[in-house]
Amino acid sequence: QVQLVQSGAEVKKPGASVKVSCKASGYTFTGYYMHWVRQAPGQGLEWMGWINPNSGGTNYAQKFQGRVTMTRDTSISTAYMELSRLRSDDTAVYYCARGRGEVVVAATLFDYWGQGTLVTVSS
Amino acid sequence: QSALTQPASVSGSPGQSITISCTGTSSDVGSYNLVSWYQQHPGKAPKLMIYEVSKRPSGVSNRFSGSKSGNTASLTISGLQAEDEADYYCCSYAGSSTLFGGGTKLTVL
Repeated sequence: QVQLVQSGAEVKKPGASVKVSCKASGYTFTGYYMHWVRQAPGQGLEWMGWINPNSGGTNYAQKFQGRVTMTRDTSISTAYMELSRLRSDDTAVYYCARGRGEVVVAATLFDYWGQGTLVTVSS
Repeated sequence: QSALTQPASVSGSPGQSITISCTGTSSDVGSYNLVSWYQQHPGKAPKLMIYEVSKRPSGVSNRFSGSKSGNTASLTISGLQAEDEADYYCCSYAGSSTLFGGGTKLTVL
């Protein structure tokens, strides 16, 4: 069965970076886009961007351009999301989500989600 | 780009029907039949309920349906059940980016 298992909670200081991992199993990792979505405490969902695990190509939301880097390691079916220059308002649960279909359809069709990783930014 | 607009809350009694609206613009909801809806229970990851405006994934109850008119998409839940109480988010393609709505809290009275 399809599973996305994310790394554990992190506590970071302002200005630091965080790297969250998302290990996929139960399907061909390179066959589906991987998206990252975050949710601040008590707030809604916010799309951050995607990576094409096959090509390594990425597309980031304008808000995160210059601060986010999405990568993958196909040998271990794992996607990564690194966010730099952290601020207190980056405190959120970060989710990876599999996008199904070709790039445009996959942009809104997230059929499997990771369990979420809480990143807390505090001095 | 701004988030899509949803009502903050809706409520209904068991057995009733409710509709949640999702208003965007001609650059997102109005331009593409790529609207999806997600259900999220407290402390859980979101779950896909509707995709491509009105399609239901396998395993999702046919009590959930979606539609779109112009710049506004809608999610209708018929025959409300207690387990439907959750937050609901719409999501739309916006031409190389993806937008979510602010979320709607559904209370089953």
